[in-house]
Amino acid sequence: GAGVSQSPRYKVAKRGQDVALRCDPISGHVSLFWYQQALGQGPEFLTYFQNEAQLDKSGLPSDRFFAERPEGSVSTLKIQRTQQEDSAVYLCASSQLDRNQPQHFGDGTRLSIL
Amino acid sequence: DAKTTQPPSMDCAEGRAANLPCNHSTISGNEYVYWYRQIHSQGPQYIIHGLKNNETNEMASLIITEDRKSSTLILPHATLRDTAVYYCIVRAYSGAGSYQLTFGKGTKLSVIP
Repeated sequence: GAGVSQSPRYKVAKRGQDVALRCDPISGHVSLFWYQQALGQGPEFLTYFQNEAQLDKSGLPSDRFFAERPEGSVSTLKIQRTQQEDSAVYLCASSQLDRNQPQHFGDGTRLSIL
Repeated sequence: DAKTTQPPSMDCAEGRAANLPCNHSTISGNEYVYWYRQIHSQGPQYIIHGLKNNETNEMASLIITEDRKSSTLILPHATLRDTAVYYCIVRAYSGAGSYQLTFGKGTKLSVIP
């Protein structure tokens, strides 16, 4: 079946521009996570949705980062006024609600800020 | 969150078993051990998880010690496509209804022809 799909695969933006990254989770998955992965590091948690509710945004690095999942399916991560330190791979994962079900990841969006 | 310790890198000959160790001495009783791997330019791929008992699936086996303070991921017949960074993760409940994964730096496994 279809896995987690993320678009675009690559994004280049100039410093100060706003960007929007999209995640299509596996159909029927209630839980959705966003992670940020810097070069050479493991992914770091950003935020979590259960259906349309954003239950945890403790990992968002600043108020320039905003995520939404209005209909409980597709999610968008938006970064306003991008900075060079925002350059990273942004990963989306989805899972069933059961806390012991594994998360399944997309291949991420590689964001480069010039 | 329970922390994990893994060797930074390992080599394995193609066709041989790869045994990847992980220490998680502060794990609590209801925390599962998860293993993921990440091949270059791809997202992390789920491999296996377990609580107390040893687990096996089509990809790998997971051996957890009786005291649960360490575990070993076994790839029975490593191939070149198994070259990746392997992450051992103890999944914690954040209290906000979120079950995020806390990744360390993992073990870079290189399968040698």
